[in-house]
Amino acid sequence: RKEVEQDPGPFNVPEGATVAFNCTYSNSASQSFFWYRQDCRKEPKLLMSVYSSGNEDGRFTAQLNRASQYISLLIRDSKLSDSATYLCVVNTNAGKSTFGDGTTLTVKP
Amino acid sequence: GAGVSQSPRYKVAKRGQDVALRCDPISGHVSLFWYQQALGQGPEFLTYFQNEAQLDKSGLPSDRFFAERPEGSVSTLKIQRTQQEDSAVYLCASSSQVGGGQPQHFGDGTRLSIL
Repeated sequence: RKEVEQDPGPFNVPEGATVAFNCTYSNSASQSFFWYRQDCRKEPKLLMSVYSSGNEDGRFTAQLNRASQYISLLIRDSKLSDSATYLCVVNTNAGKSTFGDGTTLTVKP
Repeated sequence: GAGVSQSPRYKVAKRGQDVALRCDPISGHVSLFWYQQALGQGPEFLTYFQNEAQLDKSGLPSDRFFAERPEGSVSTLKIQRTQQEDSAVYLCASSSQVGGGQPQHFGDGTRLSIL
């Protein structure tokens, strides 16, 4: 079982749809959490950090449930440009980062 | 630009050859990370430097892999006696603070193909 697990998808949604991705992690020592997006043949880019209280950045909302070791990302009003792979990342304070294998999203006109 | 720079972008080598991959982190970033990414998978952690100190090398897959950051800035990942399973994208990332509390900034990666 991987330390960070994501549903690989693919998620195929129409423009304007709301889509949610989930991520679970197994290391209870994990302290910091992030969502990255990765376009095909490109490097990962930070989408947003994830805080215990939940946080929102425009159309994107991230939630963290430490008790259940569960992270989510909600995308509202999907755009064509949101098509990418979304990577869940879990860090320990010692610096080690563990990535999920990503969830692929395709937004269609 | 001011981002993380990696070179070469592409590297083709014959099985058994040694390769060296370079990473120039963002100026002033104390933390530097190396990852290996196979097709269809997320990046896998290889090693972590805090300045010139290699604090974690638990992800290096074998003793053929060696990383250094002698002056706390540029880092080199060396793979000796390359094997076909070493073919992957090697990503370098840097962060402004120690530990894992801050997000990392990634370079474009080096795409390594072993024939």
